[in-house]
Amino acid sequence: GENVEQHPSTLSVQEGDSAVIKCTYSDSASNYFPWYKQELGKGPQLIIDIRSNVGEKKDQRIAVTLNKTAKHFSLHITETQPEDSAVYFCAAKTGGNTPLVFGKGTRLSVIA
Amino acid sequence: DTAVSQTPKYLVTQMGNDKSIKCEQNLGHDTMYWYKQDSKKFLKIMFSYNNKELIINETVPNRFSPKSPDKAHLNLHINSLELGDSAVYFCASSQAGIVQPQHFGDGTRLSIL
Repeated sequence: GENVEQHPSTLSVQEGDSAVIKCTYSDSASNYFPWYKQELGKGPQLIIDIRSNVGEKKDQRIAVTLNKTAKHFSLHITETQPEDSAVYFCAAKTGGNTPLVFGKGTRLSVIA
Repeated sequence: DTAVSQTPKYLVTQMGNDKSIKCEQNLGHDTMYWYKQDSKKFLKIMFSYNNKELIINETVPNRFSPKSPDKAHLNLHINSLELGDSAVYFCASSQAGIVQPQHFGDGTRLSIL
């Protein structure tokens, strides 16, 4: 089955700096790659996703890149703010009735 | 206007008891899920239902039984609770289809004494 590795497990950045979180996946058939943000006491919230026919997607300060050949994808957050502090999860999925497989999460701390 | 709502938010109970967690979504989605998040924050799928039919059943003890009375509800019943069942359980939903975003509830924190 699919296996998703996520790095780093913790990340501290100064406010205004950029943050990058990287994930690799094992199943070359995976074609959907969402990113979730989980704040304390809340459920994961989808912040951006990318499908395998696209190499990059951007939404304001958040961007995701996908390299299908290398089987890795990354989340980029620019101009970080204290409210970006949370746990971020990457995930991957193949088609059909297969589960969404999550990475182990990255705890991002933005220091004011 | 809660999209995916779970009750209760907290559940504290004794080992050996039976308990249920309820989930409802008002997004009109066809597919619903249960996930378990352990103390290290690892999120893992337990079950998935599409239009009240079980489509994903990961390696979960049969003490866990999902029940879907209609496509807007997916409840989780747990028999003979064990210490290792302590975790946060999340319900989620999505449209049917090959790749559709999943929307999560805020979780139920289950603590076994």
